[in-house]
Amino acid sequence: DVKVTQSSRYLVKRTGEKVFLECVQDMDHENMFWYRQDPGLGLRLIYFSYDVKMKEKGDIPEGYSVSREKKERFSLILESASTNQTSMYLCASSFSPTDSGTLNTEAFFGQGTRLTVV
Amino acid sequence: DQQVKQNSPSLSVQEGRISILNCDYTNSMFDYFLWYKKYPAEGPTFLISISSIKDKNEDGRFTVFLNKSAKHLSLHIVPSQPGDSAVYFCAASAIYGGSQGNLIFGKGTKLSVKP
Repeated sequence: DVKVTQSSRYLVKRTGEKVFLECVQDMDHENMFWYRQDPGLGLRLIYFSYDVKMKEKGDIPEGYSVSREKKERFSLILESASTNQTSMYLCASSFSPTDSGTLNTEAFFGQGTRLTVV
Repeated sequence: DQQVKQNSPSLSVQEGRISILNCDYTNSMFDYFLWYKKYPAEGPTFLISISSIKDKNEDGRFTVFLNKSAKHLSLHIVPSQPGDSAVYFCAASAIYGGSQGNLIFGKGTKLSVKP
């Protein structure tokens, strides 16, 4: 059974704190993604990674950084948390179409982390 | 500039009837389309997909239709069940356009199926 696991379901942090959100997948996927979901805005891509140590900015990277030291783990870092970063954060992983030679690049999501910054 | 648009924020349907969720896209490089279902406080789960070489894909009660000339796709659920009540997201990818499988999502449509 495929699995994407996010380290926390709920987090409450103070403004200015450095926050780490961890994500681990066990499917040997090349691609990993971080999205945030906000009411009325859908899922917006923050960063994605298509290989170890590789990262690409998504639509809303400001205020965030990422780290991918191992294939199975992708971390999202909020350098200095702010109240406008209160959101549901979703990690996902998928095969790369170029590496796998398949069109089946559906992303598998973790259960989400509800982050509240106070 | 939204590349994937779901213009209906919500849809209410009677149990047993058909639910039709719509999605439009603007990027002609998109060649793979997916629908996800999301319950509150959970991550989205993959439902069904279609590649641009097809115009229809069916899986049980779920059928996705793709009209490339209109840049429009739709998800049909027949018959609708109360357990289908969730937010449905349309997503698109430009596989052969070098996107590495990056998915662009719409804003979602909240489906409510009433008993």
